[in-house]
Amino acid sequence: SAVISQKPSRDICQRGTSLTIQCQVDSQVTMMFWYRQQPGQSLTLIATANQGSEATYESGFVIDKFPISRPNLTFSTLTVSNMSPEDSSIYLCSANLWDSFANEQFFGPGTRLTVL
Amino acid sequence: SQQGEEDPQALSIQEGENATMNCSYKTSINNLQWYRQNSGRGLVHLILIRSNEREKHSGRLRVTLDTSKKSSSLLITASRAADTASYFCATDLSGGTSYGKLTFGQGTILTVHP
Repeated sequence: SAVISQKPSRDICQRGTSLTIQCQVDSQVTMMFWYRQQPGQSLTLIATANQGSEATYESGFVIDKFPISRPNLTFSTLTVSNMSPEDSSIYLCSANLWDSFANEQFFGPGTRLTVL
Repeated sequence: SQQGEEDPQALSIQEGENATMNCSYKTSINNLQWYRQNSGRGLVHLILIRSNEREKHSGRLRVTLDTSKKSSSLLITASRAADTASYFCATDLSGGTSYGKLTFGQGTILTVHP
């Protein structure tokens, strides 16, 4: 398994500001992902963070709102820009561990964001 | 649309009883993974079952996969109060542009009463 940490674990922010969430993996991984979990809901994939290239965003998510960095094989950041109360969610990063036949995906503890 | 649908949405049982949760999906998968989430915290990876596997065990967990019916089940035997959590299935479509991406079901909220 992989150990994945996130910072901050939670934050309360004002409308219109931005927050950058950091994700650190204890081993080198090819693929990292960012998910959003709105209150009482399941997880939705925001984007795939690719090392050495731009992130790949899912439908409904755009780079201007959720810029992502992936400077190396163990680290990624997600920024939630120009926040509104609708952005209040848990944001989780994850990473794939590849074995012979399948990808097990492990998650960080999440960042609980509240926007006032 | 959501790939995975889970039922029941909520399940309440007594300690010692077994809990069964079901997951259905719509398209072909590479694998299916089950996760547990306690009180809105991070997800704990429980078990991965590949598309060519039919059953897998891990401790008190038993997962089955029926690709002909596009469904999976998670059985927790001899449940404990500490098993109280939300359980999610997630499908890995893999291949092409879907490589490594997981699509999550809506989850089952399990409550185990002591």
